[in-house]
Amino acid sequence: DQQVKQNSPSLSVQEGRISILNCDYTNSMFDYFLWYKKYPAEGPTFLISISSIKDKNEDGRFTVFLNKSAKHLSLHIVPSQPGDSAVYFCAASAKEGAQKLVFGQGTRLTINP
Amino acid sequence: NAGVTQTPKFQVLKTGQSMTLQCAQDMNHNSMYWYRQDPGMGLRLIYYSASEGTTDKGEVPNGYNVSRLNKREFSLRLESAAPSQTSVYFCASSGAGHYEQYFGPGTRLTVT
Repeated sequence: DQQVKQNSPSLSVQEGRISILNCDYTNSMFDYFLWYKKYPAEGPTFLISISSIKDKNEDGRFTVFLNKSAKHLSLHIVPSQPGDSAVYFCAASAKEGAQKLVFGQGTRLTINP
Repeated sequence: NAGVTQTPKFQVLKTGQSMTLQCAQDMNHNSMYWYRQDPGMGLRLIYYSASEGTTDKGEVPNGYNVSRLNKREFSLRLESAAPSQTSVYFCASSGAGHYEQYFGPGTRLTVT
């Protein structure tokens, strides 16, 4: 039972354009959502997060949108740069879960020059 | 400030052998976690320790044991390795009341 799903295994975007990565979840108890970025042979690094009391959080080129009614979140990267090429994981946590994270399968983003 | 460190980086085991993966953090975090990453599966939680002295099972605990040695260190033990445990293992930690977890560089384990 996959509680957090990233349905696109890969995404290719031209440099300078917008990258949109999507994530769906099924557990209505999730109240905090995070995006992680992972380069090959490295551990995931935290990118941006959003609480369920908000519908948008922005940090520089990165914006996360949360649609609670649709149980959907997305990560927008504008403008996309070659260094953004990586695997992106979304993750979710429930308040009662001792800050445990449930991860999606990941989306490999490739930025083409 | 090294963050989260893991040893070893790579390991090859034969079926039935045992080994311990080590993890340490220097951020004074209360909580520590062990995940495995398999192709197409994302990261799955094996065990976690919400605070020093406590450990709990995650999503995929079978075949593993853990020890929270002190606040800094959290080890993962494979008592009798199986090919299905071939994976990349990540340790992570988080501060009290914080959802963000900080990950180590990983251990790539192959069981033949």
